[in-house]
Amino acid sequence: DIQMTQSPSSLSASVGDRVTITCRASQSITNYLNWYRQKPGKAPKLLIYATSSLQSGVPSRFSGSGSGTDFTLTISSLQPEDFATYYCQQSYSIPLTFGGGTKVEIK
Amino acid sequence: QVTLKESGPVLVKPTETLTLTCTVSGFSLSNARMSVSWIRQPPGKALEWLAHIFSNDEKSYTTSLKSRLTISKDTSKSQVVLTMTNMDPVDTATYYCARILAAAGNLFFDYWGQGTLVTVSS
Repeated sequence: DIQMTQSPSSLSASVGDRVTITCRASQSITNYLNWYRQKPGKAPKLLIYATSSLQSGVPSRFSGSGSGTDFTLTISSLQPEDFATYYCQQSYSIPLTFGGGTKVEIK
Repeated sequence: QVTLKESGPVLVKPTETLTLTCTVSGFSLSNARMSVSWIRQPPGKALEWLAHIFSNDEKSYTTSLKSRLTISKDTSKSQVVLTMTNMDPVDTATYYCARILAAAGNLFFDYWGQGTLVTVSS
């Protein structure tokens, strides 16, 4: 199974800050990497698929990059609704696996 | 409008079998590019993919739970069913069903149900 490791596990930031979250795969997953945002008590929401493609309706402040084993999600200017937990997910091989999550909290 | 809705018991006893149903609308379970997965999330913990079933009835399961899981679908009813045997308190979690979209080999969850909290307790 491919292990997905996110860092940091949590971070504190202010509205307007630029935030970067990292996801590392235990082996190469080419570009088969997706990102989700989950607000408390809600289902996750797809933000980015295939490393860097923005899902329809998702604000352009979200961007993704990377390839192989190392990937990043960047929020260019943090908004109040972005205080949530973020998960990466690989689809290079079955079983599909998620990272452990990164909680973004208000500083 | 695509929707998914989970249904099933909120409380099960240890050793019992859990049966969850996902009823979908806005797309067909016979669409080759789409499939449905089950994902769970224990309270305060990360997401864990459990299983999925494709339009051609191909099925996949997570490694650690493969012996306990069965996924099936009824295309005419637009339903996907997950059964998990021998439930344990560690299986207490919110269970989600989600639509998988396949694009250029990538599989991602583009629509999710609201989730259903299942508690395992005697």
